Amino acid sequence: DTGVSQDPRHKITKRGQNVTFRCDPISEHNRLYWYRQTLGQGPEFLTYFQNEAQLEKSRLLSDRFSAERPKGSFSTLEIQRTEQGDSAMYLCASSLAEAAAQDEQYFGPGTRLTVT
Amino acid sequence: QKEVEQNSGPLSVPEGAIASLNCTYSDRVSQSFFWYRQYSGKSPELIMSIYSNGDKEDGRFTAQLNKASQYVSLLIRDSQPSDSATYLCAVTYNFNKFYFGSGTKLNVKP
Repeated sequence: DTGVSQDPRHKITKRGQNVTFRCDPISEHNRLYWYRQTLGQGPEFLTYFQNEAQLEKSRLLSDRFSAERPKGSFSTLEIQRTEQGDSAMYLCASSLAEAAAQDEQYFGPGTRLTVT
Repeated sequence: QKEVEQNSGPLSVPEGAIASLNCTYSDRVSQSFFWYRQYSGKSPELIMSIYSNGDKEDGRFTAQLNKASQYVSLLIRDSQPSDSATYLCAVTYNFNKFYFGSGTKLNVKP
């Protein structure tokens, strides 16, 4: 399989619990992105990595959210003390940005989070 | 003002017609522009990218970029019912800012 994969595909959790999602990018891609999407909206940028370096974080990303990409391969997104407002689809994308402007991102299937 | 604006639709066109989807963006230093298609319950799928003014054609799809007017569009020729989806416009600038519009829902009627 050469596409972006995400795990789990669905997660139901109770308010206050911590959750962690995993993303495996396309193998040769150096950039990895996390987005959040709610119904009727486009993906909302959260953060991105170039190799193992986290280069940008959205101001919307509260301190409860943290992302890592050890060794520049897979990435994890953790949400601590989940709130009902965190319920959304969490999307991961990757790209091979040989030139910074050429940033064609390929999305994984997403992880749907429901906080009860 | 949102960085990327799209008409939410729905845009309805008959099968075989040309569908025209539009997007405006607010930042003049925006550098890269993308169109994604998203079927209900699925993740976005890249259709086309465009980086310079003018038209870019790929099969039935044509992307048009006008940086002076801060406007990018997507034309779908010979629309098919399978083209019915939400079309997302995405813009990047400063090499590290990424914005998506809310999408335009397209319905192609058989």
